[in-house]
Amino acid sequence: AQTVTQSQPEMSVQEAETVTLSCTYDTSESDYYLFWYKQPPSRQMILVIRQEAYKQQNATENRFSVNFQKAAKSFSLKISDSQLGDAAMYFCAFADSNYQLIWGAGTKLIIKP
Amino acid sequence: EPEVTQTPSHQVTQMGQEVILRCVPISNHLYFYWYRQILGQKVEFLVSFYNNEISEKSEIFDDQFSVERPDGSNFTLKIRSTKLEDSAMYFCAITGLDSYEQYFGPGTRLTVT
Repeated sequence: AQTVTQSQPEMSVQEAETVTLSCTYDTSESDYYLFWYKQPPSRQMILVIRQEAYKQQNATENRFSVNFQKAAKSFSLKISDSQLGDAAMYFCAFADSNYQLIWGAGTKLIIKP
Repeated sequence: EPEVTQTPSHQVTQMGQEVILRCVPISNHLYFYWYRQILGQKVEFLVSFYNNEISEKSEIFDDQFSVERPDGSNFTLKIRSTKLEDSAMYFCAITGLDSYEQYFGPGTRLTVT
């Protein structure tokens, strides 16, 4: 069975600095998708960034980028120039060909002003 | 980015009662999903729905739960005879045509007393 592990329950970063959130996963599939979702206090689930496993190039969305290491089954999220609005729970998620999402436990990101 | 709304935003019900949670996508979509998030815990997949029938379901999705798309637009999750442990946020998600990203509605907070 696929699993997703986020080993950092909580991370904090100074405003304007860079922070990296870790995620590892386990699967025997070769074709799959990986996602980072942000959940602010409103509890809305917001898609931050996505990566197809067949693509070697790391995905980037403005200040958000990933470091996808397929052999190591690692998918970390880097947030550059952290802003107060980035404070939230961040969830790493995996989807195989069935598209159902398997979720990590989440990392709470605190931004220090 | 596809949009989806959910109603109600908050539902309080007594144990043993039936509840219906609604999901309304703004445009045409093929796949629908329900997830739940018990407070402080992981997000869990419940069911996926494609072409007016269940595509995949988890162990959580037992006979207490049912889904349907009664009028071709609304997508509903029915929980019969609610239990205290059904208290959670319930999220509807959709994928657009020719895409794999799942976009989430704002969620329904279900409180069973």
